[in-house]
Amino acid sequence: DTGVSQNPRHKITKRGQNVTFRCDPISEHNRLYWYRQTLGQGPEFLTYFQNEAQLEKSRLLSDRFSAERPKGSFSTLEIQRTEQGDSAMYLCASSKRLAGGPSTDTQYFGPGTRLTVL
Amino acid sequence: QKEVEQNSGPLSVPEGAIASLNCTYSDRGSQSFFWYRQYSGKSPELIMSIYSNGDKEDGRFTAQLNKASQYVSLLIRDSQPSDSATYLCAVNERGSTLGRLYFGRGTQLTVWP
Repeated sequence: DTGVSQNPRHKITKRGQNVTFRCDPISEHNRLYWYRQTLGQGPEFLTYFQNEAQLEKSRLLSDRFSAERPKGSFSTLEIQRTEQGDSAMYLCASSKRLAGGPSTDTQYFGPGTRLTVL
Repeated sequence: QKEVEQNSGPLSVPEGAIASLNCTYSDRGSQSFFWYRQYSGKSPELIMSIYSNGDKEDGRFTAQLNKASQYVSLLIRDSQPSDSATYLCAVNERGSTLGRLYFGRGTQLTVWP
C-alpha cells in the first residue's frame, strides 16, 4: 500500500497526558498537512510542511500542539496536557508540489487517528 | 474569515437518480476546488478536482465550476447505494504558495434502493 499511513489509528488517553501521532506520507510527496475533524464538521487546517520546513500554522494550533517533520519524510504531531476538547479525528494528508508550479496540488488523506480524551 | 458553505442535507435520492450537491465559497481568489467523499468513521477520499470554469466529467461524476458566482457543484448520475456518504467541498486559499484547504461541513447523501 503506497498511500498515506497514520499511527496509531485510535488513541484513548486521560486528560492531562501527552500524546504523539505519526504520519507517513506518500513517497515523493514533499508537502504534508495536518487537519482536525470533529463530528459533523469538515476538516480544519492545523499546519503544513514543505519538505522539513513548517510553512504555516493555524491559530487553532495552541502552544500545547507541536508538529515536526525532521527529515522531510514522516511527521509527528504532539499534544501536551490533553484536554477533553482535543477529542477529534486527526487527519494527515500529503501532496506533491512542483517548484514554481501552480497551487493545484491535490491532497490525499490518510486513515486518521481518532483521539478520545477522558 | 474564508467560508465554504454546503447544503447540509441530508439529501436522499432513489437508486438510479441524479444527486446534485452544491457549494459556495467566499474567497474570490480561490484557484482549486475539490470534492471529497467520506464514509462514516473513515477519512476523506478524493472524488474530483476542478480548476477552470465549466464542467469536468469523470465517469458518473461531473463537477461544475462558476468562479463569477463563486459556486461549485457535483452531480452524481445513476446514483448507487454505495454512493451513500458525506460529500465534502474543499477550496484552496488565494495565492500560489499557500496550501491549506478550507472545507465545508459536508452534505450527507443517502441513496435508497
